[in-house]
Amino acid sequence: QQPVQSPQAVILREGEDAVINCSSSKALYSVHWYRQKHGEAPVFLMILLKGGEQKGHDKISASFNEKKQQSSLYLTASQLSYSGTYFCGTEKSGSRLTFGEGTQLTVNP
Amino acid sequence: GAGVSQSPSNKVTEKGKDVELRCDPISGHTALYWYRQSLGQGLEFLIYFQGNSAPDKSGLPSDRFSAERTGGSVSTLTIQRTQQEDSAVYLCASSPVAGGYEQYFGPGTRLTVT
Repeated sequence: QQPVQSPQAVILREGEDAVINCSSSKALYSVHWYRQKHGEAPVFLMILLKGGEQKGHDKISASFNEKKQQSSLYLTASQLSYSGTYFCGTEKSGSRLTFGEGTQLTVNP
Repeated sequence: GAGVSQSPSNKVTEKGKDVELRCDPISGHTALYWYRQSLGQGLEFLIYFQGNSAPDKSGLPSDRFSAERTGGSVSTLTIQRTQQEDSAVYLCASSPVAGGYEQYFGPGTRLTVT
């Protein structure tokens, strides 16, 4: 079942913060976050595993509430390069990812 | 090191023709995934391989779609009797093993069925 992302779109000025949320109705093994720029392949940002382990880039932070099956991606002091579509992907067991519809982030000067 | 590569980058075909899309994963990655992305949409899972076996084929939209992986490396996605609704970008990704690891995506193959 596809996770639900919110908001669908957000517009920021450079330096502002944003939070993108991802929720699932199923018990999850992990949550992945990717960013895709127009015409390019998705790029890995962060993975949050059941049990609390996290792997990802230093400048990206995220949380995973296992009880609520929700994850949030925190983008602080946004830069122009942060613009793109952010996808969360949820994994129920060691296999396929099911991606959300995406959140379109635009950072303006 | 080399990333995931896919070929061709673009493919235009006539309705009813068969097409083959190729994916070369990162060397040493045992898990390989195929996704489809229609214009402006999210990523739709098609199939994944762990080694040469495909434990999960549930995302393949119809029996016109098939995929294989040989030697634990290169994978080919075949679409028979293509239809206009097959038009999309087909993305391949690989990871060290299946489950709990980041996936590295290739640049994709843009398929247009006329």
